[in-house]
Amino acid sequence: DVVLTQSPLSLPVTPGQPASISCRSSQSLVHSDGNTYLSWFQQRPGQSPRRLIYKVSNRDSGVPDRFSGSGSGTDFTLKISRVEAEDVGLYYCMQGSHWPPVTFGGGTKVEIK
Amino acid sequence: EVQLVESGGGLVQPGGSLRLSCAASGFTFSTYDMNWVRQAPGKGLEWVSDITSSGSSTYYAESVKGRFTISRDNTKSSLYLQMDSLRAEDTAVYYCARTNMAFWGQGTMVTVSS
Repeated sequence: DVVLTQSPLSLPVTPGQPASISCRSSQSLVHSDGNTYLSWFQQRPGQSPRRLIYKVSNRDSGVPDRFSGSGSGTDFTLKISRVEAEDVGLYYCMQGSHWPPVTFGGGTKVEIK
Repeated sequence: EVQLVESGGGLVQPGGSLRLSCAASGFTFSTYDMNWVRQAPGKGLEWVSDITSSGSSTYYAESVKGRFTISRDNTKSSLYLQMDSLRAEDTAVYYCARTNMAFWGQGTMVTVSS
């Protein structure tokens, strides 16, 4: 199974400052069709997860443009250009390139300083 | 607007059974693969199962294989998860999610305890 390792586990951020979350895969996430199925999710306290980014860098509808995804192969990053109070929560990466099983990273907790 | 509404959770004894349902609306249900994903209290996300749009193929996490059965009724735009031989470690919020986890329901809590 593909193992996704996220860092850091916890990320205290000052509002207005940038934040960055890393997701490293145990193997390349390039699918045989040429796509890389790496997604990012946000889970606010008490809410269901919400997909933010799919196929590495594509923002879902309604997602603010301060969120961006990048990376390739085994190394991926979610960046928040200027953190706002509403961005507090857990963030997960997920791979769907080599499934079953679909696998998720362990999560990163973003909190306001 | 895409909506996914889970139901059927509750308290069940170890070894017992439960059937979860997910009612879908706002999209053509029959054209999308569907998933179940769970989250144990205070823990991360764990994929449980997937079913193709027609229902002809199903996939399971090793942790539930042989005990859980995913199914769907495209005439009712509904997804199901039959959970048998439940264990304490199956305690979690269970979410249904559309293909590639693009949309999620609000979840239903399953507690396995004596």
